[in-house]
Amino acid sequence: DGGITQSPKYLFRKEGQNVTLSCEQNLNHDAMYWYRQDPGQGLRLIYYSQIVNDFQKGDIAEGYSVSREKKESFPLTVTSAQKNPTAFYLCASSQGLAETQYFGPGTRLLVL
Amino acid sequence: SQKIEQNSEALNIQEGKTATLTCNYTNYSPAYLQWYRQDPGRGPVFLLLIRENEKEKRKERLKVTFDTTLKQSLFHITASQPADSATYLCALENSGAGSYQLTFGKGTKLSVIP
Repeated sequence: DGGITQSPKYLFRKEGQNVTLSCEQNLNHDAMYWYRQDPGQGLRLIYYSQIVNDFQKGDIAEGYSVSREKKESFPLTVTSAQKNPTAFYLCASSQGLAETQYFGPGTRLLVL
Repeated sequence: SQKIEQNSEALNIQEGKTATLTCNYTNYSPAYLQWYRQDPGRGPVFLLLIRENEKEKRKERLKVTFDTTLKQSLFHITASQPADSATYLCALENSGAGSYQLTFGKGTKLSVIP
């Protein structure tokens, strides 16, 4: 059963803490993406990766970091530098950049 | 500046009628445009893609038009059903400065009333 999985579904962050959101895909897609969604804001691109060991900043990369060591995995770390991390985070993948994207179920991050 | 506007944040329509959602854009020259459906608390799901040289695309009860002169796409759902209630997002291919991305609109929340 092919698709994208994200974990956890809910994540709580304490002040000053880094947290990592997981994203795994078994669609054999080259490109992967991270978006942030806030109410009334739509989807905003954080980072994207076209191939393994390569990634690019999106529109709102400050306070976030990523890695792409394996084709199927693209974890996102929300660092303590991100002052307003509460949001719904969506991971997506596509065969090539800007092609049809397949989204995971999302992770909701909340600050304690 | 570049802008994508979806006609309204919310649209209410009676069951059985045709819902029409609008996506307008400025300062983009997309090679194609996509529409996605998003249910509350879930990731968007791809519905349709239409290329700049296509005027219209259909899939079951869905129809999309793309007018590059007006810089507008219309998304129609015919014979709407309560199960069509969701937020619909348009997304433009944005390949400016060698960076290939999809840029999403904020979405229109459609409610189909029985």
